[in-house]
Amino acid sequence: GAVVSQHPSWVICKSGTSVKIECRSLDFQATTMFWYRQFPKQSLMLMATSNEGSKATYEQGVEKDKFLINHASLTLSTLTVTSAHPEDSSFYICSAGDRVNTEAFFGQGTRLTVV
Amino acid sequence: AQSVSQHNHHVILSEAASLELGCNYSYGGTVNLFWYVQYPGQHLQLLLKYFSGDPLVKGIKGFEAEFIKSKFSFNLRKPSVQWSDTAEYFCAVEGGSYIPTFGRGTSLIVHP
Repeated sequence: GAVVSQHPSWVICKSGTSVKIECRSLDFQATTMFWYRQFPKQSLMLMATSNEGSKATYEQGVEKDKFLINHASLTLSTLTVTSAHPEDSSFYICSAGDRVNTEAFFGQGTRLTVV
Repeated sequence: AQSVSQHNHHVILSEAASLELGCNYSYGGTVNLFWYVQYPGQHLQLLLKYFSGDPLVKGIKGFEAEFIKSKFSFNLRKPSVQWSDTAEYFCAVEGGSYIPTFGRGTSLIVHP
């Protein structure tokens, strides 16, 4: 099946710094990418939907100025956590697909720890 | 490390047929278990989850899943599927690190 690569798989950063997470579709063109986060013992929560070449659509309660999403090409979307704080520590995962197929492909996820 | 196996990659059913999607995991400790659904062009939605207690879990849209610890399984079931259940279904396991691992997904197509 298709491959989605997410990088880094884990990152530790200092409070106040910014962290960029990349999500790449390696062998297909992803017209849509979804960004999720998951806290321990909870289910995935959709943060935003990213369509190539347009602004991301954020879910209610997600700060767009804090979680910057860029989907500049059909193979790459990035999530930047700006001025990270300990409460941003979480597991972030992306998935990619196109509008036609029912299949979706997940990245490996990124464990962010802000200290 | 934990891993998740979904045995059926593609399932095709007629409306009103019964559904069972297999999910097996490998992890030696306590786990939290999830089933998600993704309809075409949409994001993931949680169908149901198991953390503890009654191993038979009921979720939305008539779905249920049974946690069988001795078999390391968490199969998803629905007695009578509808055309609108056409989607992709993901099983996920969360172990002690609270990092979820997803199965590869099962694509379900229901013919009217």
